[in-house]
Amino acid sequence: DVKVTQSSRYLVKRTGEKVFLECVQDMDHENMFWYRQDPGLGLRLIYFSYDVKMKEKGDIPEGYSVSREKKERFSLILESASTNQTSMYLCATAGYSYNEQFFGPGTRLTVL
Amino acid sequence: KQEVTQIPAALSVPEGENLVLNCSFTDSAIYNLQWFRQDPGKGLTSLLLIQSSQREQTSGRLNASLDKSSGRSTLYIAASQPGDSATYLCAATNQGGKLIFGQGTELSVKP
Repeated sequence: DVKVTQSSRYLVKRTGEKVFLECVQDMDHENMFWYRQDPGLGLRLIYFSYDVKMKEKGDIPEGYSVSREKKERFSLILESASTNQTSMYLCATAGYSYNEQFFGPGTRLTVL
Repeated sequence: KQEVTQIPAALSVPEGENLVLNCSFTDSAIYNLQWFRQDPGKGLTSLLLIQSSQREQTSGRLNASLDKSSGRSTLYIAASQPGDSATYLCAATNQGGKLIFGQGTELSVKP
């Protein structure tokens, strides 16, 4: 079974802080994704990565950056957290671009 | 631009009933369609993946169908149980390899 883990289930940060969300997968998958989920807006893609050190912008990359130094780890970075980044953040992984995606448990981030 | 719609937004049924959840998409040029389950405050669990060349997939009490020409997919749940209560999401993989999600159907199965 694919296992996708995220560093925190719940996180509370203050406006202006730098925030790191980490995602680790154990299936040697090439592709990793970061989404946010908000009521009424559904899931939206922030960034994705097809390989180590590669990244592509998704639909809502503003205010975020990512890092993929190792194949199994994909980090989402909020350079200066703002209240409108309060959300549920979900990481996913897939063997190939068009394959089944597997999701982690999510991180509920609150920015005060 | 691909849009994915799920109707109804919420559904309540008595235990034991068979039910169908609907998903429609505007662009038929999809690579596959995936159904997920999400429990409150949790991540997404993949239920079924239907490749564009397939018509249906089955897993236990779940059966998903795909009709690309009409832009529709359905998730059939047989003999529903209270444990099936969750939000069900469908997502289409588009030309760029990205998943486009519907808003979900919140299912409640009453004992």
